[in-house]
Amino acid sequence: EAAVTQSPRNKVAVTGGKVTLSCNQTNNHNNMYWYRQDTGHGLRLIHYSYGAGSTEKGDIPDGYKASRPSQENFSLILELATPSQTSVYFCASGDGPTEVFFGKGTRLTVV
Amino acid sequence: GDSVTQKQGQVTLSEDDFLFINCTYSTTTYPTLLWYVQYLGQGPQLLLKVTTANNKGISRGFEATYDKGTTSFHLQKASVQESDSAVYFCALVSYQGGRALIFGTGTTVSVSP
Repeated sequence: EAAVTQSPRNKVAVTGGKVTLSCNQTNNHNNMYWYRQDTGHGLRLIHYSYGAGSTEKGDIPDGYKASRPSQENFSLILELATPSQTSVYFCASGDGPTEVFFGKGTRLTVV
Repeated sequence: GDSVTQKQGQVTLSEDDFLFINCTYSTTTYPTLLWYVQYLGQGPQLLLKVTTANNKGISRGFEATYDKGTTSFHLQKASVQESDSAVYFCALVSYQGGRALIFGTGTTVSVSP
């Protein structure tokens, strides 16, 4: 069973603060993804990576950075958090677009 | 660009009812269409895949089909159970700009005993 672990599972941040969401996968997958889930929007792709050292912009990258320091780890960074970034964030990994495994999500609230 | 539309936001059923969810898609390539299910407090997980090669997918009592003529794809189950209560997402595999999956907005299915 593919394993994708996200931390923290819940986070409250202040507006203007820096937030780092972490993701670890133990499946040796090349591709990793960050999505956010909002009611009425489904899942939207923020950033993705093809391997260690690579990051690519997804559909809604503004206000987010990503970092892939190793095959296993992929972080999402909010340098200056805003209330509009309150959402549930999902990390996923896979070796192909039809075999993508998701973590359990991080609920972020920016106050 | 590639896109997918899922209009049913909420479906309320009783056990043993028939479930039908519909999505439409747009792509310039041969489509690979997926259905994901998300249970409360969990991440989405793959339920079914449909391609132009197989036209149909079946898993856990669910059946997925697609109609090239109307560029739509469907998820159905003949007799739902309370345990099928979840959010169901349709998704299109897109290779434009390196993107992986384009998701619909999700359908919340609530099944009462």
